[in-house]
Amino acid sequence: ETGVTQSPTHLIKTRGQQVTLRCSSQSGHNTVSWYQQALGQGPQFIFQYYREEENGRGNFPPRFSGLQFPNYSSELNVNALELDDSALYLCASSLDYGYEQYFGPGTRLTVT
Amino acid sequence: GIQVEQSPPDLILQEGANSTLRCNFSDSVNNLQWFHQNPWGQLINLFYIPSGTKQNGRLSATTVATERYSLLYISSSQTTDSGVYFCAVERLGGSEKLVFGKGTKLTVNP
Repeated sequence: ETGVTQSPTHLIKTRGQQVTLRCSSQSGHNTVSWYQQALGQGPQFIFQYYREEENGRGNFPPRFSGLQFPNYSSELNVNALELDDSALYLCASSLDYGYEQYFGPGTRLTVT
Repeated sequence: GIQVEQSPPDLILQEGANSTLRCNFSDSVNNLQWFHQNPWGQLINLFYIPSGTKQNGRLSATTVATERYSLLYISSSQTTDSGVYFCAVERLGGSEKLVFGKGTKLTVNP
């Protein structure tokens, strides 16, 4: 059974650019959640997708957007990057919403 | 939103010692998970424990849902136990899915 995978591993972008991060959920899981973890902090919830629909959103501006595809993989898009967007972005999948979440290895984004 | 407080923030142990990490939360939850974050950032699932007691080797956890706290016990600690331990909760019907505490940084010295 393949776990949650994320790509790319690392990414460097310039302020004002746009970025797309990708996540493949664990086999059989229909729910994907995204989190942002700044250095020295706990992860913060961005949003969750359940069966291709947004199923909850944290306190992040609209320039953070997402998609879930029919195979339940997901993308996180961030527009107009700011320096404070530099963080580890974590994706998690679960069998269904409200169930145990399993995390991928993360994408480390640096904005210069 | 729901508040999650972890204590202590930092813990330094000698190898072989036992420890207890605490997680307090401010509302009823339908999901509570404990994680260990390794130095590369990977969050490793330790327990899914919205209520009751579970054990896995040297680790065990207890959640008392009615009193809104959870405890993670580490016995006979090893240097490989070092890292940050997070508690995360989800409130039934809440818009935020998994609210994390600030973590407990554990250092186990040989």
